[in-house]
Amino acid sequence: EVQLVESGGGLVQPGGSLRLSCAASGFTVSSNYMTWVRQAPGKGLEWVSIIYSGSTFYADSVKGRFTISRDNSKNTLYLQMNSLRVEETAVYYCASASNPGAEYLQHWGQGTLVTVSS
Amino acid sequence: AIQLTQSPSSLSASVGDRVTVTCRASQGISSALAWYQQKPGKAPKLLIYDASSLESGVPSRFSGSGSGTDFTLTISSLQPEDFAVYYCQQFNSLPFTFGPGTKLDI
Repeated sequence: EVQLVESGGGLVQPGGSLRLSCAASGFTVSSNYMTWVRQAPGKGLEWVSIIYSGSTFYADSVKGRFTISRDNSKNTLYLQMNSLRVEETAVYYCASASNPGAEYLQHWGQGTLVTVSS
Repeated sequence: AIQLTQSPSSLSASVGDRVTVTCRASQGISSALAWYQQKPGKAPKLLIYDASSLESGVPSRFSGSGSGTDFTLTISSLQPEDFAVYYCQQFNSLPFTFGPGTKLDI
């Protein structure tokens, strides 16, 4: 069974940094496209970033401040978030598909809440 | 970036109703579209991918159609557990944008 478990969320001041983790089981993060999606309180879903085998892509709103990466030995995905803004308060989900090469999001973690506030 | 619009933004329906939600892309995206269902406090759940392929385990009352710029999600006979928010997402070009959502309630 595929399982994704996020961690690392919490309260951070504006301008601060946070690193989110997403531990995977039941499949290999190195063999699948992995994605971060966020959802502000009471709002819709926002695509944040994706990592392919050799490249990464970001939403314009986070480009230059967020970095997606993975540790294949730990089967874990990360999202390093710098220069955080109040409006980036959200639940952050990691997601992926079981089929290598698929970009739709079959599997989702439970989400981790990031609160940016002074 | 490709913009997705959904209509209606909210919809009131009853158990047993046939419901259709529309997603329109700002430019052609072939069949690179997925539909998700989200219930309060839960992660989204994949329903349909590649515009019309039903995800494993999803009831057959859900169906998707369309290509190019216009897509629909149809629920043939609403069940109590179907009341939720529905999102479309395009996979044609980065960034892989979501639609704003359609809230389906009683």
